Amino acid sequence: GQQLNQSPQSMFIQEGEDVSMNCTSSSIFNTWLWYKQDPGEGPVLLIALYKAGELTSNGRLTAQFGITRKDSFLNISASIPSDVGIYFCAGTRSYNTDKLIFGTGTRLQVFP
Amino acid sequence: DVKVTQSSRYLVKRTGEKVFLECVQDMDHENMFWYRQDPGLGLRLIYFSYDVKMKEKGDIPEGYSVSREKKERFSLILESASTNQTSMYLCASTTRSGYEQYFGPGTRLTVT
Repeated sequence: GQQLNQSPQSMFIQEGEDVSMNCTSSSIFNTWLWYKQDPGEGPVLLIALYKAGELTSNGRLTAQFGITRKDSFLNISASIPSDVGIYFCAGTRSYNTDKLIFGTGTRLQVFP
Repeated sequence: DVKVTQSSRYLVKRTGEKVFLECVQDMDHENMFWYRQDPGLGLRLIYFSYDVKMKEKGDIPEGYSVSREKKERFSLILESASTNQTSMYLCASTTRSGYEQYFGPGTRLTVT
């Protein structure tokens, strides 16, 4: 099945730094979701986006629904060690389906 | 808070055994999903269900079946486990018209 392209694949940053990652598709998406997965656990929903241009925050996390509807971005400000994990984007291409298409994931490592 | 629970966190089975993975959600969600997650392949949809006794094939249904006798419970069945079914299995649920899927903690299944 199709997967969304996420970049970067992995990031190694120092505590306190800001983080940016993105997710791109060759086709238009109507919904974008961002998840975080800790090692050995299930993904946890962070942010959901429903409109082009929408900017939504959840604490230190901010995500945007790209204007072209073919991409989405996630920013983490002032990273802390517990931000470590894999971040996945997901989306739907149609309003008539709730089947999600998932990104390939960005692995984040934070060093103290 | 949405709670999705899975019957086992870790499971070791022998080739040819029949395996049952159970998922329960407590938010009265209509839709439930089973995925498997493998390194490099991301999350792949096995089966999903829109209602009690209803099921739809996902992208990789071969070798699996499902059962949904009660709204809150969705079971994944491996009729005759094989080593290539060693994987992390994730259950998720959402409302009938919702896109935000909530995941359980996962079951790491090893077939020897």
